[in-house]
Amino acid sequence: SQQGEEDPQALSIQEGENATMNCSYKTSINNLQWYRQNSGRGLVHLILIRSNEREKHSGRLRVTLDTSKKSSSLLITASRAADTASYFCATDVGPYNNNDMRFGAGTRLTVKP
Amino acid sequence: ETGVTQSPTHLIKTRGQQVTLRCSSQSGHNTVSWYQQALGQGPQFIFQYYREEENGRGNFPPRFSGLQFPNYSSELNVNALELDDSALYLCASSMGQGDEQFFGPGTRLTVL
Repeated sequence: SQQGEEDPQALSIQEGENATMNCSYKTSINNLQWYRQNSGRGLVHLILIRSNEREKHSGRLRVTLDTSKKSSSLLITASRAADTASYFCATDVGPYNNNDMRFGAGTRLTVKP
Repeated sequence: ETGVTQSPTHLIKTRGQQVTLRCSSQSGHNTVSWYQQALGQGPQFIFQYYREEENGRGNFPPRFSGLQFPNYSSELNVNALELDDSALYLCASSMGQGDEQFFGPGTRLTVL
């Protein structure tokens, strides 16, 4: 069953603008990860944030995690046309950190040149 | 490229048949997880193998089974295929449980 829910389902912005995607989940987690997927191909790992962390940065990406609200956000700054993809959050809910990852349905981001 | 490879790339089967999908994990990784991704949906966790033992399973029936070999490559077997089994099947490897996962490009299975 799906655990994470991304919001919005679809987002269309102009190149250079910032894109913010949100993820809500239901149960306690070990960590939360964000992935990108281009046109039904394999997923590319973006950032992993552990349950005791609140914010992480990687290049133009910023991820926040609020465990009290069971939510996370992914911010892509200065977007580029190449950022066009589907973005998924995934929560690791398995006991013993066994990678029982629960994905949401994703946010489809379109960046117009 | 993550170093995780999957074969075949595409596969067409008919209802009731059996299928085997293969995954070679990234060098140094001892954990492999399998996911099913239906069109327009996020991946659904099938199961994970850690050092050749199943270590966690999602909500999939027993006709979905797997193996992990001593070199940590893995197979996903699906028996008695159903139309709803049509999906992209992804495997992901990691250095250990709870670590960052690296995904392969997937196998697109179509069941007619």
